[in-house]
Amino acid sequence: DGGITQSPKYLFRKEGQNVTLSCEQNLNHDAMYWYRQDPGQGLRLIYYSQIVNDFQKGDIAEGYSVSREKKESFPLTVTSAQKNPTAFYLCASSTSPSGRVPQYFGPGTRLTVL
Amino acid sequence: SQQGEEDPQALSIQEGENATMNCSYKTSINNLQWYRQNSGRGLVHLILIRSNEREKHSGRLRVTLDTSKKSSSLLITASRAADTASYFCATDANDKETSGSRLTFGEGTQLTVNP
Repeated sequence: DGGITQSPKYLFRKEGQNVTLSCEQNLNHDAMYWYRQDPGQGLRLIYYSQIVNDFQKGDIAEGYSVSREKKESFPLTVTSAQKNPTAFYLCASSTSPSGRVPQYFGPGTRLTVL
Repeated sequence: SQQGEEDPQALSIQEGENATMNCSYKTSINNLQWYRQNSGRGLVHLILIRSNEREKHSGRLRVTLDTSKKSSSLLITASRAADTASYFCATDANDKETSGSRLTFGEGTQLTVNP
């Protein structure tokens, strides 16, 4: 089956720890995105990548880092510098790096800081 | 300023009724997309309407776009309990920093369809 997967589904982190969220797609999409969603709110863009080995900051990149070493993979690291990391994180991909095409979303990872 | 603000924030209707959700935005757009999100899940793309289109249909969904009023509406006809979800509009506007374009999501409308 083609699609986009995220793991883990639930993640718990102690304060001061870095954690990495996985995002993999087998849709052969060039562009990939990370969003953060807080309860009852919309999506805010953290980072996006238009092509392998390239990525740009979104609206709320502080305290996060990404890499794009392979076309299929776009992991997100939530660092200890992120002051309020508890949220629902969504990864998405699209055929081209623009808003002119639909984005396909993974099932999300819910991160809780203990 | 935030693009894509949905109205109402929450809507509760009976099965069989129609549901209408509205989206307003501030700047010029290339297109507007609607997405659905079931609780605790990822978003699913529903429909894309381009700036030169006024209306688009997909099954029980009807989307309109009025660029002069900078607004769009999503109509779900003959609603079902399974339509219960949050619905988001996302606007595609040019990004001056990258010379490309990107989607900006609104805060969504929570639709509840009661059996």
